Amino acid sequence: GAGVSQSPSNKVTEKGKDVELRCDPISGHTALYWYRQSLGQGLEFLIYFQGNSAPDKSGLPSDRFSAERTGGSVSTLTIQRTQQEDSAVYLCASSFGGTSSGANVLTFGAGSRLTVL
Amino acid sequence: DQQVKQNSPSLSVQEGRISILNCDYTNSMFDYFLWYKKYPAEGPTFLISISSIKDKNEDGRFTVFLNKSAKHLSLHIVPSQPGDSAVYFCAASGETSGSRLTFGEGTQLTVNP
Repeated sequence: GAGVSQSPSNKVTEKGKDVELRCDPISGHTALYWYRQSLGQGLEFLIYFQGNSAPDKSGLPSDRFSAERTGGSVSTLTIQRTQQEDSAVYLCASSFGGTSSGANVLTFGAGSRLTVL
Repeated sequence: DQQVKQNSPSLSVQEGRISILNCDYTNSMFDYFLWYKKYPAEGPTFLISISSIKDKNEDGRFTVFLNKSAKHLSLHIVPSQPGDSAVYFCAASGETSGSRLTFGEGTQLTVNP
């Protein structure tokens, strides 16, 4: 597609429920990233996929968080047993990846706003 | 630890004047720096970048300056326009982080007509 698509745009859930957030990156982009922005905070790195390499999961805040990227394209971020502190905007981004400086230019989606009651 | 810091949460300037947004970093392995702009309810959009081999990069009204010895970069917008009102994020990457970006906390710029 022309841009990075994320769904749902808004999700309200009850504490303890599981949620799935979807990201459809730009066609041809080999790298995919998940970040989150809590209220009044900067962008916090969560996880990074690059091609067929093992993902960099170093930013996941707990084992309740997991992400998959199927077929090198669409990614799903899953949060199990949601807590109120998980409330944030979850942003997906993609890039060409590789080692050139242009690989660092990430294109972001509009985000999925998660509210845990 | 916050490796990229934007110490000013907000900045207000008059239309037509210069806006200067600042960013400091601690990781000496960072070698590529970017500025992103974010409007409410939208994702951040890329604005301008600079490699560590340069100390200045200019694109229209936007100029980024890099001072490697001070581990400091700044974004200058001149002349500022009301449409520039947004949150500006500084970001950095380096060899050890691949293309993963580390972001600052952001600065809310308000340009008053």
